[in-house]
This record gives sequence, C-alpha cells and structure tokens, in this order.
Amino acid sequence: GAGVSQTPSNKVTEKGKYVELRCDPISGHTALYWYRQSLGQGPEFLIYFQGTGAADDSGLPNDRFFAVRPEGSVSTLKIQRTERGDSAVYLCASGEQGDTGELFFGEGSRLTVL
Amino acid sequence: KNQVEQSPQSLIILEGKNCTLQCNYTVSPFSNLRWYKQDTGRGPVSLTIMTFSENTKSNGRYTATLDADTKQSSLHITASQLSDSASYICVVSGQAGTALIFGKGTTLSVSS
Repeated sequence: GAGVSQTPSNKVTEKGKYVELRCDPISGHTALYWYRQSLGQGPEFLIYFQGTGAADDSGLPNDRFFAVRPEGSVSTLKIQRTERGDSAVYLCASGEQGDTGELFFGEGSRLTVL
Repeated sequence: KNQVEQSPQSLIILEGKNCTLQCNYTVSPFSNLRWYKQDTGRGPVSLTIMTFSENTKSNGRYTATLDADTKQSSLHITASQLSDSASYICVVSGQAGTALIFGKGTTLSVSS
C-alpha cells in the first residue's frame, strides 16, 4: 500500500477483554513506532522497533501491553485485561531510518474500553 | 528529564493573518527537531525536519527556525488559511536508537 495502514480503525471492547491492534508499515521501512494519544494530548511513546527487535520499549505502561514484529514488517500491539484508562487512539508510524529520517503515520486505531 | 514544551496551548487567528508557535526542549543529546501537523481524527503529517546545524527550513507557507544553543524552535505560518486549523506538534529526537519525544501540541483555529 501507499501508506501506513492500521486496523481496526475503531474498536470498542469491554473492560477485562484482550485486544490486538495491527500496523502494516510502508514496504521497506525498518523503523516502526507505536504511540498512544489521548484527547487533547500529544502522542505518547510506547515502543520502537528497528527491524524485528524492540529497540526501545520503555514507553509501555505495564505488562498488560506487548508488541511484536516477527518478520520485520507488520506489527501487532496486544493489550491484555483492558482497562477504561486504555481508551485512546493508538498511532503507528514507520520510517526508513527511525530517529533520523522521515516518519509516516497511520490514521490510528481508536480504542474504547467500556 | 527529556521534555518538549509548546506554547501557546491554543490559538485563534483570522484568516490571512500570520502566527508563530513556540517549542522549547530539554532533550540532550539532540539529533533533530520536527514539526508535524495533525488534523482532527487523522495521523500527524510531517512539515519540517531540522538537524542541529540548520537554523531555518521552509515548507510553503510554513517556516521553522531552530536555535540549538537556547534549545528553542518556532513555526511561523504566513497568510493563514482555514485549512491550517489543526494541532501542530513539535517532536525532538535524541541520541540514535531512542524514541522521538513529542510535545503536547498547539491547537490552531483559523476563522473567517
């Protein structure tokens, strides 16, 4: 595809459920970021992949959050035992050079936990 | 602590007017600084990227400046249009391999 694709665009779930959010980056991009954005706030860093490995996962708020990128392309953000405070827009971005090059963002996945 | 502070938090201007948004950062070491535009409900879109050796960079009606000594940047918008209404986010990159640090953004509203 031409840009970063995120699915689902909207997800409504109940407290305590498990959720997976998918990011399909631009082909060939080695760097992939996950961010979380609450209403009226700037994006908050969660995790950064360089290839298949997590170069920096210091932003994951707790062990309910986990992300993988097994083949260095598609990434999945997994949230266990969701809480109402997890409600936010989850943004994914990809780039060729990570911290130095251009980053391209997806439209985000809006998660609502009831 | 590495931080990025933006001001003002929000701004309302008339169509056709100019405006300047500010960004101060404490990130060290510093690699580059970016400005993004984020329309409501959309992902951020890059406007400019500047390294420490660059003082100014333009993208159409958008001009970003950088003073790496004082750790300040500004984004100047000339002859504003209604479509400029959005959130403008300042993002700073520290040492290689670390995450980008986002400011909370300035919400700009351009009215006719």
